[in-house]
Amino acid sequence: QKEVEQNSGPLSVPEGAIASLNCTYSDRGSQSFFWYRQYSGKSPELIMSIYSNGDKEDGRFTAQLNKASQYVSLLIRDSQPSDSATYLCAVLMNRDDKIIFGKGTRLHILP
Amino acid sequence: EPEVTQTPSHQVTQMGQEVILRCVPISNHLYFYWYRQILGQKVEFLVSFYNNEISEKSEIFDDQFSVERPDGSNFTLKIRSTKLEDSAMYFCASSASGTYNEQFFGPGTRLTVL
Repeated sequence: QKEVEQNSGPLSVPEGAIASLNCTYSDRGSQSFFWYRQYSGKSPELIMSIYSNGDKEDGRFTAQLNKASQYVSLLIRDSQPSDSATYLCAVLMNRDDKIIFGKGTRLHILP
Repeated sequence: EPEVTQTPSHQVTQMGQEVILRCVPISNHLYFYWYRQILGQKVEFLVSFYNNEISEKSEIFDDQFSVERPDGSNFTLKIRSTKLEDSAMYFCASSASGTYNEQFFGPGTRLTVL
């Protein structure tokens, strides 16, 4: 079982719509979860962190965490062409204090 | 806004040569990390460093790799004898207080081993 799984995409979403990105993880004891955005050829840029079950909102971004289902998601409202990037889910593994990244989901916002 | 910086942006080396990648973490951060990303693949953890010691390291971080904080601002990754498969982007990151805390990444160094 892969430690952090994401659908690789590409996920195509019309401009102005909601983009929904999903991630599952294997370590049930994990407590810290992060979403990063990575433009091609650039470094990961932190978007959100989430530690508790439920929703966390920051501007157009909402992170959702369900520890029972080992599932974390990122919603992007009012999607803009500049949101086109790869979104990386990162999970702090409880067993060994390392952050494991998923392979990322490529998001394409259609103008 | 404070940021992590890395030098050089691109390093080309011959197989078997030693390379040192340099990073200046955010000034009040205490935890430092190195990651690598082979082209088209996921970001992989290499090592975490706190209080002048390695906290955690991955299987990738073998005896060919070492890290050092030579002074109050720099954090370095040394690869002693580079292999072709070491070609990748190497990212430095830092966090204020532990791996549970948000990590901020530098722009990366692209290492090309010929």
